Amino acid sequence: DAGVIQSPRHEVTEMGQEVTLRCKPISGHDYLFWYRQTMMRGLELLIYFNNNVPIDDSGMPEDRFSAKMPNASFSTLKIQPSEPRDSAVYFCASSFGYYNEQFFGPGTRLTVL
Amino acid sequence: KNEVEQSPQNLTAQEGEFITINCSYSVGISALHWLQQHPGGGIVSLFMLSSGKKKHGRLIATINIQEKHSSLHITASHPRDSAVYICAVPRGMADKLIFGTGTRLQVFP
Repeated sequence: DAGVIQSPRHEVTEMGQEVTLRCKPISGHDYLFWYRQTMMRGLELLIYFNNNVPIDDSGMPEDRFSAKMPNASFSTLKIQPSEPRDSAVYFCASSFGYYNEQFFGPGTRLTVL
Repeated sequence: KNEVEQSPQNLTAQEGEFITINCSYSVGISALHWLQQHPGGGIVSLFMLSSGKKKHGRLIATINIQEKHSSLHITASHPRDSAVYICAVPRGMADKLIFGTGTRLQVFP
């Protein structure tokens, strides 16, 4: 298996634009997590899915952020409109079972100018 | 007070030294995770443990549930061990993970 795949790896956009981050989890994993990492706040869980259903989105910072998982092999995290404070590295991770090891994707480095 | 605290924040060592990184938490947990973040940014899960001790190569993780404390040890450290080590715990049963701020380790040859 190729591991967790994220795209794009780098994204530079201007304030106000829509940004879509993509994630393909490891086949067979039933949990998918979206994290954000910044220098100020470290790693934070934004939202996680179980069998494509969002379970806990309390970490999503505000209504500008939305996440979907239309099927077991694909998830998106969308920011609309983007703001400079959204600049961060966004990681996707997947696991088989909530209490098992999580496998992280390489991350998407987002810069909002 | 942070719910997950790590110490030290920064650590330098000479190759071959024994390394200990500590993690204390204030929430009740079912399992604790140790992660490694490489200088390039990639994150790898090292251990998930709920009791006792686990060993993988030169890495050993221990946890004391009663004292709410975990340690990550690296024996015979090597420059390739240079990374940020992060511990994480779920805030409650089946709850989302909360992360420590990480310990930045640099091992010099």
